[in-house]
Amino acid sequence: SYELTQPPSVSVSPGQTARITCSGDALPKQYAYWYQQKPGQAPVLVIYKDSERPSGIPERFSGSSSGTTVTLTISGVQAEDEADYYCQSADSSGTYRAVFGGGTKLTVL
Amino acid sequence: EVQLVESGGGLVQPGGSLRLSCAASGFTFSSYWMSWVRQAPGKGLEWVANIKQDGSEKYYVDSVKGRFTISRDNAKNSLYLQMNSLRAEDTAVYYCARGVVSGSYCFDYWGQGTLVTVSS
Repeated sequence: SYELTQPPSVSVSPGQTARITCSGDALPKQYAYWYQQKPGQAPVLVIYKDSERPSGIPERFSGSSSGTTVTLTISGVQAEDEADYYCQSADSSGTYRAVFGGGTKLTVL
Repeated sequence: EVQLVESGGGLVQPGGSLRLSCAASGFTFSSYWMSWVRQAPGKGLEWVANIKQDGSEKYYVDSVKGRFTISRDNAKNSLYLQMNSLRAEDTAVYYCARGVVSGSYCFDYWGQGTLVTVSS
């Protein structure tokens, strides 16, 4: 198995840009996905295949990839974006065993 | 509208068993991989198991192999997780999630979760 590493916390002021990173040796070969989870709620997919945004997700959410690191960027952060964010990848050999990063708590100051 | 509704959680003693269910609606259940993902109190997400559309392939995280069994009934649009030999470290909210093969594999819809507490 492999690991995905995220910073435990990121803090930004409203209107600023938040960047949350996720590192893993397998990421150059496998896509990454990002989920937002607010307290007491189920996770919501916000980015798939490194940089694609599902319908209904605001345009301020974007994703990028470079080598062993993927980044979730939230531009013009709003108070409602305060949440835990998890990156995820999966074995693409057909078993689809998934791995999650440890999660990053985004605090909007 | 896609809906996933879990049930069957509760308090169980160490070594005991529990069966979780997930009722799916709003999509063609038999066309999708399905998964269970869990979250221990105050902790992060952990993938538990996947099952292929027809149930012919099943995969598990190492920590539950031999103890948990994922299954599905496409006629009833239902997903199950049979959990045996439960341990304190299995205490978590268990989410049912729809799997999507998109480049790799991700979870595009989630249920609200059901809490399993393993304690004496």
